[in-house]
Amino acid sequence: AQKITQTQPGMFVQEKEAVTLDCTYDTSDPSYGLFWYKQPSSGEMIFLIYQGSYDQQNATEGRYSLNFQKARKSANLVISASQLGDSAMYFCAMREGPAGGGADGLTFGKGTHLIIQP
Amino acid sequence: EADIYQTPRYLVIGTGKKITLECSQTMGHDKMYWYQQDPGMELHLIHYSYGVNSTEKGDLSSESTVSRIRTEHFPLTLESARPSHTSQYLCASRGGQATNEKLFFGSGTQLSVL
Repeated sequence: AQKITQTQPGMFVQEKEAVTLDCTYDTSDPSYGLFWYKQPSSGEMIFLIYQGSYDQQNATEGRYSLNFQKARKSANLVISASQLGDSAMYFCAMREGPAGGGADGLTFGKGTHLIIQP
Repeated sequence: EADIYQTPRYLVIGTGKKITLECSQTMGHDKMYWYQQDPGMELHLIHYSYGVNSTEKGDLSSESTVSRIRTEHFPLTLESARPSHTSQYLCASRGGQATNEKLFFGSGTQLSVL
């Protein structure tokens, strides 16, 4: 079963609009962390934002915020006032605690290709 | 800024050749990782290391091998490259044990096997 599900393969958004990228996850471990990374066409992975399973408040980093709904196992990324430079692939990823089993590292979703139109 | 470097950035090579993808980090991180990524697809963990002389296989089976003789260096080797190995290979590292430790990524190596 997929541990990270991103249901939007691609999105087109007008510049300056807000955009929400969906991410749902599956784990039985009470301790886990959720990450969002941006991958421009150049290929590097850029860390955007982190949310821990025990964090009481939604994470924010500049124009990025994370809409964390624990009961729904949802961790959507919200980008406010989108810019042309936001065009890229966006990946949601999870790290489980020791109870999660499996190999170390982050488990990634399939990604969403976001295109910002002028 | 992340101090993790991968070389070469691009590699085009013929079938049957032995190749080594280099990855080095100057942050003193104990944990290092190799991910494989096909175009437009998710990243799959193929190898990781907790420190010197520690290597483990990841979630995705790979014919590649890795070594960790020095903390800063985590090379990946393919003994006999095949077209099915064509992919992007991303190296990453992190310093702590906590769940919230992010991964720092290198710029990747785009491998094409003809």
